[in-house]
Amino acid sequence: DIVMTQTPLSLSVTPGQPASISCKSSQSLLHSDGKTYLYWYLQKPGQSPQLLIYEVSNRFSGVPDRFSGSGSGTDFTLKISRVEAEDVGVYYCMQTIQFRTFGQGTKVEIK
Amino acid sequence: QVQLVESGGGLVKPGGSLRISCAASGFTFSDYYMSWIRQAPGKGLEWVSFISSSGTTINYADSVEGRFTISRDNAKNSLYLQMNGLRAEDTALYYCARDKHIVPASTTRFDYWGQGALVTVSS
Repeated sequence: DIVMTQTPLSLSVTPGQPASISCKSSQSLLHSDGKTYLYWYLQKPGQSPQLLIYEVSNRFSGVPDRFSGSGSGTDFTLKISRVEAEDVGVYYCMQTIQFRTFGQGTKVEIK
Repeated sequence: QVQLVESGGGLVKPGGSLRISCAASGFTFSDYYMSWIRQAPGKGLEWVSFISSSGTTINYADSVEGRFTISRDNAKNSLYLQMNGLRAEDTALYYCARDKHIVPASTTRFDYWGQGALVTVSS
């Protein structure tokens, strides 16, 4: 089974400052079709999760451009260029190359 | 607009059974794989199971294999999860989510989620 490991598990950020979350997979997420099946979700307090990024670096519809994803193989990063109050919540990475597995989640709060 | 509405959650005793449902609307249900994902109180997300658009391909997490059964009725735009042999550790909010489109080049996964059905396993 593929294990997804996120760091840090919590993050306190001053509004307007950048934030970065790492996600590492125990196996490469690069498929033979050339795609890398790594996704990022945000679960805001009291809400269902919402898709932010698909296939490593593609922003889903309506996602602000302050969110960006990067990485390859087994190492991935979600960056928020300037954190806003509405960005608080728990961020999850997920792989779908072998079934589906989520990372443990990273809780982002505002200082 | 796309909507996913779960129902059927409740309190059940250990060893008991429960079936939860997810009613889909606003999209061509039969064109999508669907998944169940759960979240125990105060914990992270755990993928439970997915089913292909036609229902012919099904996979489960090891934690529920042999106890849970996923199914769908494309004529009713509905997804189901039959849960047997329930344990305290199955207590969670169960979300249904739209998985991948049948078009091979499909890119997104879990782009829409329901609000969840709460399942509590306790004596």
